[in-house]
Amino acid sequence: GENVEQHPSTLSVQEGDSAVIKCTYSDSASNYFPWYKQELGKRPQLIIDIRSNVGEKKDQRIAVTLNKTAKHFSLHITETQPEDSAVYFCAANGNQFYFGTGTSLTVIP
Amino acid sequence: DGGITQSPKYLFRKEGQNVTLSCEQNLNHDAMYWYRQDPGQGLRLIYYSQIVNDFQKGDIAEGYSVSREKKESFPLTVTSAQKNPTAFYLCASADWGTAYEQYFGPGTRLTVT
Repeated sequence: GENVEQHPSTLSVQEGDSAVIKCTYSDSASNYFPWYKQELGKRPQLIIDIRSNVGEKKDQRIAVTLNKTAKHFSLHITETQPEDSAVYFCAANGNQFYFGTGTSLTVIP
Repeated sequence: DGGITQSPKYLFRKEGQNVTLSCEQNLNHDAMYWYRQDPGQGLRLIYYSQIVNDFQKGDIAEGYSVSREKKESFPLTVTSAQKNPTAFYLCASADWGTAYEQYFGPGTRLTVT
């Protein structure tokens, strides 16, 4: 089955700086890669996703890039704000969804 | 917060008792999922169902059981065979055939003492 690895597990940045979270996957058949944000005690919520037929997708301060050859995809958050502090999960679809282990992002005011 | 609901939000049980967690969705999604989340860890799949009356085991199905008698409902039973049942349980649904995006419920925090 699919194996999704996510790095780093924790990340601290100054407000206004950029944050990058990286994930790798193993199944070349995976074709959908979502990113979820989970605030403490809350449900994960989709913030951006990308399909395998595109290499990059952007939504305001958030962007995701996908390298199918290398089997990795990354989340980029620019101009970080304190409300970006949360745990972020990547995922890839196989016959089910496979999630990374999460990155706890702290934005320091 | 409509679409997919879980109840109750908090649940307390004594060790040795079975307990059933509710998950209901009105999104007309075919696929439904149960995940377990422990502190500082990711989401681990317990069971999933892509169609009514059919379900498959995920990575950590031991000690759990599910049913999918209706498209809208996918209850999870945590049995006394589950060694460490205390956790945050998340239910999700998806329109597997087209959109893939998973919508999560608000979660149930189960504490077993």
